Amino acid sequence: GENVEQHPSTLSVQEGDSAVIKCTYSDSASNYFPWYKQELGKRPQLIIDIRSNVGEKKDQRIAVTLNKTAKHFSLHITETQPEDSAVYFCAVHNTDKLIFGTGTRLQVFP
Amino acid sequence: AAGVIQSPRHLIKEKRETATLKCYPIPRHDTVYWYQQGPGQDPQFLISFYEKMQSDKGSIPDRFSAQQFSDYHSELNMSSLELGDSALYFCASSLGGRAATNEKLFFGSGTQLSVL
Repeated sequence: GENVEQHPSTLSVQEGDSAVIKCTYSDSASNYFPWYKQELGKRPQLIIDIRSNVGEKKDQRIAVTLNKTAKHFSLHITETQPEDSAVYFCAVHNTDKLIFGTGTRLQVFP
Repeated sequence: AAGVIQSPRHLIKEKRETATLKCYPIPRHDTVYWYQQGPGQDPQFLISFYEKMQSDKGSIPDRFSAQQFSDYHSELNMSSLELGDSALYFCASSLGGRAATNEKLFFGSGTQLSVL
């Protein structure tokens, strides 16, 4: 089955800096890669997604890049703000379900 | 816009009791997923339904069962509860079964189950 690895597990940045979170997957048949933001005790919220026919997608301060050959994709957050502090999960759509990475706790210090 | 509705929001049970969690998908969504998230863990896929039929099964204990009804809502039944079942249970829904639109999952607010 699909295996999703996510790094780092924790990330601390100063407000205004950039943050990058990386995920790798194992099944080359996977073709949809969303990123979710989850605040404590709340639902995962979709913040950006990318399909395998696209290499990069950007939405304001958030971007995702995909390297299908190497089977890895990354989340980039620029100009981080304290409200970006949360746990971020990558996910891979495989055999009609989402498989999540292990999560990255991002802390943005003012 | 209507979202995925889960009830109850919180549930406290004793060991060996049973629990039923309910999920109402976004209108017109025909696929429902159940995930279990332990403290500090990633969401783990339990089971999914498409058009009222089970479509996939993950790490769901035999003590748990689920179904999707004719109005597309779903219920997760949990019996002989154990301390380790304490977790946040999310339901998600999507549209389209095996079409490309089924990839985008929308999550409910979850049910926090505490087993004492």
